[in-house]
Amino acid sequence: KNEVEQSPQNLTAQEGEFITINCSYSVGISALHWLQQHPGGGIVSLFMLSSGKKKHGRLIATINIQEKHSSLHITASHPRDSAVYICAVIPYSGAGSYQLTFGKGTKLSVIP
Amino acid sequence: KAGVTQTPRYLIKTRGQQVTLSCSPISGHRSVSWYQQTPGQGLQFLFEYFSETQRNKGNFPGRFSGRQFSNSRSEMNVSTLELGDSALYLCATKVGTTSTDTQYFGPGTRLTVL
Repeated sequence: KNEVEQSPQNLTAQEGEFITINCSYSVGISALHWLQQHPGGGIVSLFMLSSGKKKHGRLIATINIQEKHSSLHITASHPRDSAVYICAVIPYSGAGSYQLTFGKGTKLSVIP
Repeated sequence: KAGVTQTPRYLIKTRGQQVTLSCSPISGHRSVSWYQQTPGQGLQFLFEYFSETQRNKGNFPGRFSGRQFSNSRSEMNVSTLELGDSALYLCATKVGTTSTDTQYFGPGTRLTVL
């Protein structure tokens, strides 16, 4: 059974700080997603990674397939970044099935 | 383009009852996946449908079932509700079945079982 571990579980930062959230997984994957969930439940897909690095605004996501590790970075954090960030992986499987396996999430609070 | 819609948004049921939740995908999206989110277990995959066929199923009891219609709308049903079924139920849709397709999540249905 694939296991997805995220760290830290909770993170409090001052506005403007650089933030890093880590995700480690235990089996081969075809892709990894970073998701953002705001209070109230809505989930937004931030990145899908299968290799390398992606950047969108102040968000940067990297993945190291050999080390089975991904990081999500937020530069110049802002209170509106406060949310739960969830790492999800798609383990290799046959017939193109698509089954996300999720980490427990990292709750980020950015204080003004 | 309208987003993923889920109905109802909130639901209160009692133990032993059954419930049906609905998910309408973004136009052109043919894949619908369902997820359960609880404080203890986090997000867990329930099932995935594509072209009215269940492609994959998570590790949930048979009380949890689903279906997809020809217009790609999907429903999930939970029979004989238990207290532990209280959760946020999310659906997510995408165009096809490729793992690199982006999934778009609905707002969820919050089910409370009393």
